[in-house]
Amino acid sequence: EAGVAQSPRYKIIEKRQSVAFWCNPISGHATLYWYQQILGQGPKLLIQFQNNGVVDDSQLPKDRFSAERLKGVDSTLKIQPAKLEDSAVYLCASSFRGYLKGHDYGYTFGSGTRLTVV
Amino acid sequence: AQKITQTQPGMFVQEKEAVTLDCTYDTSDPSYGLFWYKQPSSGEMIFLIYQGSYDQQNATEGRYSLNFQKARKSANLVISASQLGDSAMYFCAMREGRAAGNKLTFGGGTRVLVKP
Repeated sequence: EAGVAQSPRYKIIEKRQSVAFWCNPISGHATLYWYQQILGQGPKLLIQFQNNGVVDDSQLPKDRFSAERLKGVDSTLKIQPAKLEDSAVYLCASSFRGYLKGHDYGYTFGSGTRLTVV
Repeated sequence: AQKITQTQPGMFVQEKEAVTLDCTYDTSDPSYGLFWYKQPSSGEMIFLIYQGSYDQQNATEGRYSLNFQKARKSANLVISASQLGDSAMYFCAMREGRAAGNKLTFGGGTRVLVKP
């Protein structure tokens, strides 16, 4: 099966500019996640969707970050305006189930978008 | 409070030797899952091994095994017979049940460098 697709792979922008990332999950995966991974740290969950509804966005900086998954398939994450501290890799992941059951092995991750804000 | 703690920021290991990566977790949910992921310098997140909170036996996947000590809330990863290609960042992660929204929380990671 095809993996989780993300684009662009790399992006360099100036602070105060806006940027958008795109993610296409594995077909049939109802749950989609966006993570922010700052260099040298573990990924931090920004937002979790179940189909097209938001399950958790408690760590999403809502004054500048927004995300949508309109048809319950692909998703976009936007930053406007960007700050220097937003420089990170943005990982998208999807899973078939959003809950534990049997041997659900969890998530499939995309290759990420590396954002550099200068 | 940290949900997932990895106390070893970096480790060197000799090729062909075994290495243990520590992970402790904190949850009050009786139903949870523990994961280990490998992240090489190319950046992709590679699933290694999974342990469910109700699993009676420790998980094993090839050269990877998980030393699950539920009472101590630890889930250490053991890599046997290390290879040069094992050099990477390793992340422990936990998924709690529905009450916590089923989100996956990561530790800070351990960087492993395998020496020839």
